Amino acid sequence: GAVVSQHPSWVICKSGTSVKIECRSLDFQATTMFWYRQFPKQSLMLMATSNEGSKATYEQGVEKDKFLINHASLTLSTLTVTSAHPEDSSFYICSGGTNTGELFFGEGSRLTVL
Amino acid sequence: SQQGEEDPQALSIQEGENATMNCSYKTSINNLQWYRQNSGRGLVHLILIRSNEREKHSGRLRVTLDTSKKSSSLLITASRAADTASYFCATLLRDDYKLSFGAGTTVTVRA
Repeated sequence: GAVVSQHPSWVICKSGTSVKIECRSLDFQATTMFWYRQFPKQSLMLMATSNEGSKATYEQGVEKDKFLINHASLTLSTLTVTSAHPEDSSFYICSGGTNTGELFFGEGSRLTVL
Repeated sequence: SQQGEEDPQALSIQEGENATMNCSYKTSINNLQWYRQNSGRGLVHLILIRSNEREKHSGRLRVTLDTSKKSSSLLITASRAADTASYFCATLLRDDYKLSFGAGTTVTVRA
């Protein structure tokens, strides 16, 4: 299947700092990228959908000013957690969508905010 | 919000046995997909079944879909220790582009 590279795979930061997570589709063009958040032993919750060259669409309850999403090209989307706090600690996963309806997921980024 | 609900939440079986997990959903779908997630890793796409399909096979995997009952099942035959993972169903609604994930079933295969 198609490959999505996500990094960093894990990051520890101090409260109040910002963290950027990158998601790249390596062998396909992802016109749409999805960002999910997953708490331990729980399912994936969609945070936002980004389309190349346009503003991301955020799900209800997700603060767009806190979770900045950029989709500058067909192969790169970034999620920046601004002014991170301990409650933002989570596993963040991106995925790229194709026109077949399948999603290809990155390996996830575990964020720990101290 | 989550559309799919899965059961059981957890399943422990002996190597060689079959594992069956179920997924129920609430509204009409375009397709339903099953994914596997190893602990702390991303998701791996296993199989996609469209709303007009009733059964699909892929290797040791068998997926059924009953749109009248709004449910799907995933069967893993002749399980192996490497099948230990969490399995999620995800639905793509009609006229939508977003996948909605179920809560997942954690499968442990004992050697």
